[in-house]
Amino acid sequence: DAGITQSPRHKVTETGTPVTLRCHQTENHRYMYWYRQDPGHGLRLIHYSYGVKDTDKGEVSDGYSVSRSKTEDFLLTLESATSSQTSVYFCAISAQGARDGYTFGSGTRLTVV
Amino acid sequence: SQQGEEDPQALSIQEGENATMNCSYKTSINNLQWYRQNSGRGLVHLILIRSNEREKHSGRLRVTLDTSKKSSSLLITASRAADTASYFCATDVLGNQFYFGTGTSLTVIP
Repeated sequence: DAGITQSPRHKVTETGTPVTLRCHQTENHRYMYWYRQDPGHGLRLIHYSYGVKDTDKGEVSDGYSVSRSKTEDFLLTLESATSSQTSVYFCAISAQGARDGYTFGSGTRLTVV
Repeated sequence: SQQGEEDPQALSIQEGENATMNCSYKTSINNLQWYRQNSGRGLVHLILIRSNEREKHSGRLRVTLDTSKKSSSLLITASRAADTASYFCATDVLGNQFYFGTGTSLTVIP
């Protein structure tokens, strides 16, 4: 999607290994979000950021950490991947938080074996 | 969870017919949004309706919001095969984030 890219698009990793997903935006938006999408659960918020070095937890944050050292990049790290973290991960950006529509990336499909 | 719940879970219609999807939520909101997701893709924002609005239109889309019933509906008129996708509602609760429902899968048969 224009202005937001996620990398990698696909990844297979082994249980217990650390994994970092990257979200990069060129829109200079203040808010950035990480969601995971699983069948039967819709999209669930993992973490979000409301500015550089300002982050907060979402509803499914256990096992995940994030960092935002500059406006354009929001990193999601799985410290020690587990099979339950197999999912599709989406990054989203917004200029005004929940007063605004979100722009989503194309997603990262992560498989933990 | 504060997520909205869409109904029905799946909907199949003929091209040219109207499609209606509903969303119910649990607590007071400031805004409600609808998104579309094509298979294997990210979500695309369709429309945002604020709590003081009752109806909004965008092209063939019509969204209503009834805060007394804590529900919203998305109407797609004169559906096309290209409208085949999953549709999600999202509600904000804490002001900075939206909670998404599990979606309605719409199939438009040519």
